[in-house]
Amino acid sequence: GNSVTQMEGPVTLSEEAFLTINCTYTATGYPSLFWYVQYPGEGLQLLLKATKADDKGSNKGFEATYRKETTSFHLEKGSVQVSDSAVYFCALSGVNNNNDMRFGAGTRLTVKP
Amino acid sequence: DAGITQSPRHKVTETGTPVTLRCHQTENHRYMYWYRQDPGHGLRLIHYSYGVKDTDKGEVSDGYSVSRSKTEDFLLTLESATSSQTSVYFCAISESIRGRAYGYTFGSGTRLTVV
Repeated sequence: GNSVTQMEGPVTLSEEAFLTINCTYTATGYPSLFWYVQYPGEGLQLLLKATKADDKGSNKGFEATYRKETTSFHLEKGSVQVSDSAVYFCALSGVNNNNDMRFGAGTRLTVKP
Repeated sequence: DAGITQSPRHKVTETGTPVTLRCHQTENHRYMYWYRQDPGHGLRLIHYSYGVKDTDKGEVSDGYSVSRSKTEDFLLTLESATSSQTSVYFCAISESIRGRAYGYTFGSGTRLTVV
């Protein structure tokens, strides 16, 4: 079935460090891929998305490129801030025209000053 | 997000009682979803709706039912609450462009505790 696997956390970084959170997917067809962020006590917010192979989604300094050949959508940021501390979820949707979205288990990021 | 609200935000209920959670949207989106969030599992889909009176099961639908009598409201009912249904419940809405997902907007969640 369709699924998403993302790197286990928690991840702890110092401010201004480089961030990578790995995400790979399994899907039939051609899904859309997403990264969501969840701050404490809140719902998930869409961070970025890509709808076809080789597309790069970007927002707030975060980037992810849809790699069909490696079925991956890794999240990166060149210089993290304390305010980036949150839980990050990789997700896929749109397989076979189905809007059902499947989420990874989430990766908790803590950025220390 | 102001376009989607969940109620209540917190609820404590006893085992065996029915519980209904409400999701209300002002965006006129066609699709609405109920997820539960548990540590180590991410978000798992309970039920979803693709229009008024049109609903379908997700991956963890046992013990839950839903209803959508109006575009703006999607109700989740736990018919007889159990401790395993203690969780945080999120509602989400989405529109669809040519059959592909545009991305979801989530509510702020309902924390349900079954004692």
